[in-house]
Amino acid sequence: DQQVKQNSPSLSVQEGRISILNCDYTNSMFDYFLWYKKYPAEGPTFLISISSIKDKNEDGRFTVFLNKSAKHLSLHIVPSQPGDSAVYFCAASRGGSQGNLIFGKGTKLSVKP
Amino acid sequence: DAGVIQSPRHEVTEMGQEVTLRCKPISGHDYLFWYRQTMMRGLELLIYFNNNVPIDDSGMPEDRFSAKMPNASFSTLKIQPSEPRDSAVYFCASSFPGAGAFFGQGTRLTVV
Repeated sequence: DQQVKQNSPSLSVQEGRISILNCDYTNSMFDYFLWYKKYPAEGPTFLISISSIKDKNEDGRFTVFLNKSAKHLSLHIVPSQPGDSAVYFCAASRGGSQGNLIFGKGTKLSVKP
Repeated sequence: DAGVIQSPRHEVTEMGQEVTLRCKPISGHDYLFWYRQTMMRGLELLIYFNNNVPIDDSGMPEDRFSAKMPNASFSTLKIQPSEPRDSAVYFCASSFPGAGAFFGQGTRLTVV
């Protein structure tokens, strides 16, 4: 029973366009959400997070949106760059930022020049 | 800081052998997590510690798996005896309040 779901295993986007990565969750007790980026043969790298008291958080080209009523969050990357090509994991936590993280299975983003 | 350090990076062992994975968290982080990544199940939390104390080990798949954190700068994940289905990438991560978890580079375990 997956509590955090990333239904698109892969996404291909043209350089300069917007990349939108989606994530759904089932547990209404989650109060902190994060996105991680992972390159092959490396560990996941923290990208951006959002608390459940907010609906948007922005950091440079990356914006995370949270829709609590729909139990849905998304990561927008604008503009997309070839270096953004990686696997993106959505994660959720019940204990704030230090709680244990439940991960989705990831979406592989390919940004084409 | 060098980040979370895991060793070894790669481990190949025969079925039935004991395997020990090691992790050095980032100094000052009081949470430590062990995750396992497989194609089928993605990233699964196995166990996590707070101030060296195991808080939740419900993700540990079997009694063959055990984890310890004898001090704030070191943790081990042990599999005894190992089985081919334990083959995966094992990640250690650490965090402190107000920040997301920082991951090590992982240990790729192959049990033949």
